Amino acid sequence: GAVVSQHPSWVICKSGTSVKIECRSLDFQATTMFWYRQFPKQSLMLMATSNEGSKATYEQGVEKDKFLINHASLTLSTLTVTSAHPEDSSFYICSARREMVYEQYFGPGTRLTVT
Amino acid sequence: ELKVEQNPLFLSMQEGKNYTIYCNYSTTSDRLYWYRQDPGKSLESLFVLLSNGAVKQEGRLMASLDTKARLSTLHITAAVHDLSATYFCAVAPTQGGSEKLVFGKGTKLTVNP
Repeated sequence: GAVVSQHPSWVICKSGTSVKIECRSLDFQATTMFWYRQFPKQSLMLMATSNEGSKATYEQGVEKDKFLINHASLTLSTLTVTSAHPEDSSFYICSARREMVYEQYFGPGTRLTVT
Repeated sequence: ELKVEQNPLFLSMQEGKNYTIYCNYSTTSDRLYWYRQDPGKSLESLFVLLSNGAVKQEGRLMASLDTKARLSTLHITAAVHDLSATYFCAVAPTQGGSEKLVFGKGTKLTVNP
């Protein structure tokens, strides 16, 4: 149990376009979902925390208008990278947490390349 | 602000040897996590440590937590090549009941034949 999927697993887009990444909890209801970014050979950096039905909480330095997060249901959160630029190229990983359980379950990640 | 420091950042060891990875953190926490990441992949959960003195073992890996010293260790026993990966510790700060995780920089482990 506790499987989290992400779609797409990889995406290449042109500079200036927008890209949407989906994160789904497949066999549980996720009260909270988290979005992380990981640059090559670096650690994970939390971008934002989202709770179903409410606005996401962004970490300091993360542009809200650029990284739009929607947590539409207890099993789905989306991250939209708007007007993507090459510096947004990264590995984006989501995780999901269910109520009363400390552990976060990580998705397989989405590799974004902006050309 | 919670800071998490891992050391070493790079570890090259021979098969059959033992070694320990250290994870120090700067503020109060009672939850610490260890993850494994293979190249190009996401995180695999190894251990969740929830209390002072907690010790967990799985195969050749053993993790422990000392909340008073703000230190966790990941001990590798008789390393094998399959353990080659990057290992991250992550800490959830106690203050404010935050669910956020702060990650260390990771330890890249290479086990040589």
